[in-house]
Amino acid sequence: NAGVTQTPKFRVLKTGQSMTLLCAQDMNHEYMYWYRQDPGMGLRLIHYSVGEGTTAKGEVPDGYNVSRLKKQNFLLGLESAAPSQTSVYFCASSYSKRDGSYEQYFGPGTRLTVT
Amino acid sequence: SQQGEEDPQALSIQEGENATMNCSYKTSINNLQWYRQNSGRGLVHLILIRSNEREKHSGRLRVTLDTSKKSSSLLITASRAADTASYFCATEAMNRDDKIIFGKGTRLHILP
Repeated sequence: NAGVTQTPKFRVLKTGQSMTLLCAQDMNHEYMYWYRQDPGMGLRLIHYSVGEGTTAKGEVPDGYNVSRLKKQNFLLGLESAAPSQTSVYFCASSYSKRDGSYEQYFGPGTRLTVT
Repeated sequence: SQQGEEDPQALSIQEGENATMNCSYKTSINNLQWYRQNSGRGLVHLILIRSNEREKHSGRLRVTLDTSKKSSSLLITASRAADTASYFCATEAMNRDDKIIFGKGTRLHILP
């Protein structure tokens, strides 16, 4: 199993450009999450999904959109990138709570720089 | 706002010593988890402790939870160079909103 994979690994955008980050998991997990990690700030939850076709806002959702059209994929979109969105983005997935497991599995991260 | 706050922010100890990190949180929780992050990598789950548990062990890891003080500690015994990493606590609030909220982390450096 590949676990959680993220595409791309690195990206540089100019202010105002758009892009989509792709997260894929092959563990049949119900829940998927997008986080951003900034120096001294830890991980902050952007959006999350508790199942195919559902999404919800996290702590810092502004400037981002997400879609979960397929259970194994969770897409994070930036419609108009801003320098404040320079960060490392992590995707994670987990089983649903009814399975009694809460462990999150993380991808390797995407390093995004907006100039 | 973040739920968990780790203390200290950074910790350097000699190899072989024990390392203790603390996490405080604000609201009632269902469970608390600890994760490790090696430089440039994603987070890896270490251990989960439920709100009705007070202590849990996994290998060289020992986690305690004090819900009355809203705090948890992670003890790594007999530290090794490979333990050098950042450690994060993460909490699931009791409001069942399915979110896991992470703290800012403790950077642990094991000196040879």
